[in-house]
Amino acid sequence: AQSVTQLDSHVSVSEGTPVLLRCNYSSSYSPSLFWYVQHPNKGLQLLLKYTSAATLVKGINGFEAEFKKSETSFHLTKPSAHMSDAAEYFCVVRANTGGFKTIFGAGTRLFVKA
Amino acid sequence: GAVVSQHPSRVICKSGTSVKIECRSLDFQATTMFWYRQFPKQSLMLMATSNEGSKATYEQGVEKDKFLINHASLTLSTLTVTSAHPEDSSFYICSARALQGNSYEQYFGPGTRLTVT
Repeated sequence: AQSVTQLDSHVSVSEGTPVLLRCNYSSSYSPSLFWYVQHPNKGLQLLLKYTSAATLVKGINGFEAEFKKSETSFHLTKPSAHMSDAAEYFCVVRANTGGFKTIFGAGTRLFVKA
Repeated sequence: GAVVSQHPSRVICKSGTSVKIECRSLDFQATTMFWYRQFPKQSLMLMATSNEGSKATYEQGVEKDKFLINHASLTLSTLTVTSAHPEDSSFYICSARALQGNSYEQYFGPGTRLTVT
């Protein structure tokens, strides 16, 4: 069984300060993990993914995430927030065996203040 | 990269009518496509898995007679919302599975906003 928990429904940061969006997962199999961003009324854009290679994954727009198996976490970070980062972020887990089922977290809304 | 399109992007229909949403893989063949539903300010919920040439597999709680899925070709899956009601208003997103090297990847369409009046 798989599940994913995004620990914060809302995160608010000031422009230029670091961003941390937290995600914990549970998976019976070795998982693939993803972060997607969704701007209002738009589709999903893949930020980055972990697929059992390097545990520190770099994505687009300056985002990165670290896979920590011991903590079952895959937190998303960015050193300096930009106004354009304001959006909804989804942490996603997918089992690498079985039926390719993808489970979405509940989402974290990121607000960026000027 | 692989591109998935959806048509229409927005649709408004009257209660009791049916509406069809198309999902296409533009530059690759997709034996498997997925349909998700997203309520306002909520996450994506998997509705069904669509396999080319066979019946779709629906998630628990999803009415298969209300949400008809047809995956007639390797590049097209359709979702038909039958006898739509206002509570069916939602954002519907499809995705397609593509073989990239030795592994499968999932690509998402831009979504279709359905409003039932």
